[in-house]
Amino acid sequence: GENVEQHPSTLSVQEGDSAVIKCTYSDSASNYFPWYKQELGKGPQLIIDIRSNVGEKKDQRIAVTLNKTAKHFSLHITETQPEDSAVYFCAAGKGTYKYIFGTGTRLKVLA
Amino acid sequence: DAGVIQSPRHEVTEMGQEVTLRCKPISGHDYLFWYRQTMMRGLELLIYFNNNVPIDDSGMPEDRFSAKMPNASFSTLKIQPSEPRDSAVYFCASSFQAGGGNEQFFGPGTRLTVL
Repeated sequence: GENVEQHPSTLSVQEGDSAVIKCTYSDSASNYFPWYKQELGKGPQLIIDIRSNVGEKKDQRIAVTLNKTAKHFSLHITETQPEDSAVYFCAAGKGTYKYIFGTGTRLKVLA
Repeated sequence: DAGVIQSPRHEVTEMGQEVTLRCKPISGHDYLFWYRQTMMRGLELLIYFNNNVPIDDSGMPEDRFSAKMPNASFSTLKIQPSEPRDSAVYFCASSFQAGGGNEQFFGPGTRLTVL
């Protein structure tokens, strides 16, 4: 069935360093790839998304890249700050509004 | 806007009892989603509605689960009878899909504990 694999499950970085989270999807028909950030006790919140007709998208310190051939997409956070500490989820959708979520990455930014 | 509103925020019940979770989507949104989050299975879509009509309920685990959306501003997820394995955080999310926008706005969740 449809599947999204996400790695790593936990990630610790020093403040100011970069963090990279990677996802792989199985359904080649997927065309929308959002990234959500979930803080403790809260619901997931969209931080950036990318569509299949674009290879890269950037928003300040956050960027997402997409390799459709390899069915990979990645989240890059530069100059990490303590407030970036959270659980990050990738997801893949194909226009049916039904997302398949990855298993999440717990990012810890060490001050 | 207050965002997606869910109630209660926490629910503790005993096995066999009926549980009703409530959601008020963002005004004007035409899609509503119910998710369940557990450590073992992550974030799973249970069911979603478009214009108050259930579109895909393939994620509903079994007949003990049911969801309704009587109007554009209210939805319920009911579990009857509840079991300990239903313990999880349940999220409601809403979205406005006109023009192809896909962002889903999540509520704060209801943490359900079934003893």
